[in-house]
Amino acid sequence: SQTIHQWPATLVQPVGSPLSLECTVEGTSNPNLYWYRQAAGRGLQLLFYSVGIGQISSEVPQNLSASRPQDRQFILSSKKLLLSDSGFYLCAWARDRALNYGYTFGSGTRLTVV
Amino acid sequence: ILNVEQSPQSLHVQEGDSTNFTCSFPSSNFYALHWYRWETAKSPEALFVMTLNGDEKKKGRISATLNTKEGYSYLYIKGSQPEDSATYLCAFRSGNTGKLIFGQGTTLQVKP
Repeated sequence: SQTIHQWPATLVQPVGSPLSLECTVEGTSNPNLYWYRQAAGRGLQLLFYSVGIGQISSEVPQNLSASRPQDRQFILSSKKLLLSDSGFYLCAWARDRALNYGYTFGSGTRLTVV
Repeated sequence: ILNVEQSPQSLHVQEGDSTNFTCSFPSSNFYALHWYRWETAKSPEALFVMTLNGDEKKKGRISATLNTKEGYSYLYIKGSQPEDSATYLCAFRSGNTGKLIFGQGTTLQVKP
């Protein structure tokens, strides 16, 4: 069966520190992968998506970057965190490219930048 | 910028009440409309994926309708139960991309 793992669950980081959030999917190959963020009082915002290894599309200009070094691994990074990077980060994958089943989300990471 | 609006923002009902929420989305370049349920301390889970104008989907006591020409979808919950308490998100898919644009959600609280 397919599963999605996301870690860590919570993170408190000082301003200016680096960030690395990891997401891995098991039981499937060549999935579409997505990073979303929910900032306080706002809806889920698409940050990045990837249709394959090394293929990253960025949706909004920001302080973050994403990489896909392996087929089932999607990493969200920052070199220097800002206060505005605080939020709840969700990784998601799509079982099929037609999205007939919607997204399957990871358990999320609560990031607090202090 | 594509906007997806949900109303109301929050809702408190008594157990047994029926309720409904609205999702408004752009009526042009429509490809699909998704509904998700997001319970506290869990991940959002897909409820429905709707693609055709006039679509009606049902899962237990929850159902949804879709009007792509006027750009809205309704989610109905019949006989609400405390376990229905969650945030309900709709998401719009524009064109043949894998990207979803989410509304801010409607948070439902069902009191026993």
